[in-house]
Amino acid sequence: QLQLQESGPGLVKTSETLSLTCTVSGGSISSNYYWGWVRQPPGKGLEWIASIFYPGYTHFNSSLRSRVTISVDASENQISLKLNSVTASDTAVYYCARHGDHADYGKIDNWGQGTLVTVSS
Amino acid sequence: SSELTQDPAVSVALGQTVRITCQGDSLRTFYASWYQQKPGQAPILVIYDKTGRPSGIPDRFSGSSSGNTASLTITGAQAEDEADYYCGSRDSSANVIFGGGTKVTVL
Repeated sequence: QLQLQESGPGLVKTSETLSLTCTVSGGSISSNYYWGWVRQPPGKGLEWIASIFYPGYTHFNSSLRSRVTISVDASENQISLKLNSVTASDTAVYYCARHGDHADYGKIDNWGQGTLVTVSS
Repeated sequence: SSELTQDPAVSVALGQTVRITCQGDSLRTFYASWYQQKPGQAPILVIYDKTGRPSGIPDRFSGSSSGNTASLTITGAQAEDEADYYCGSRDSSANVIFGGGTKVTVL
């Protein structure tokens, strides 16, 4: 059974870089799927951040693109997210996600449990 | 990027049927998916590719689509179906997009 587990600091200071890792078990990060990140500010809706297809084909939310780096480490079966110059508006639960196969990119069929990241000075 | 529009909230009597809609131009080209999210939990996929249902999802959940509108129907709503429901899709620029969510209350 596929499992996605997010990890990283729960508190990040304003203007610094948010760094998260998603460890995938029960499946290979190099298989025919996109992997990505979605966030949800407290009490609000879902916002897609970015996605990657091994070894490095990427798509980004245009509103976040200038601040986002997404990468994949096949040896560790992990994907990573970096979001720089964070502000309080970046406070959210961050979810790791697996899309459907390459032809079904719009579908997210597996989600991590999510990790809350708070941005504060 | 494109947008998906959902009604913010809907209520349904226990055992009755409720339909949730999602509108957006991208739905004329790309399939909609539907996600259920309960408080404090991650979303789960309940409908994909317009009518597909993942294993483990009860058959009271069904999907349909016409033109720029996708719908999720819960036939015989149960108390455990009370949740937020989000539609999702993609646009022609490979943006993943979500509707604003519909809060379903089972009375």
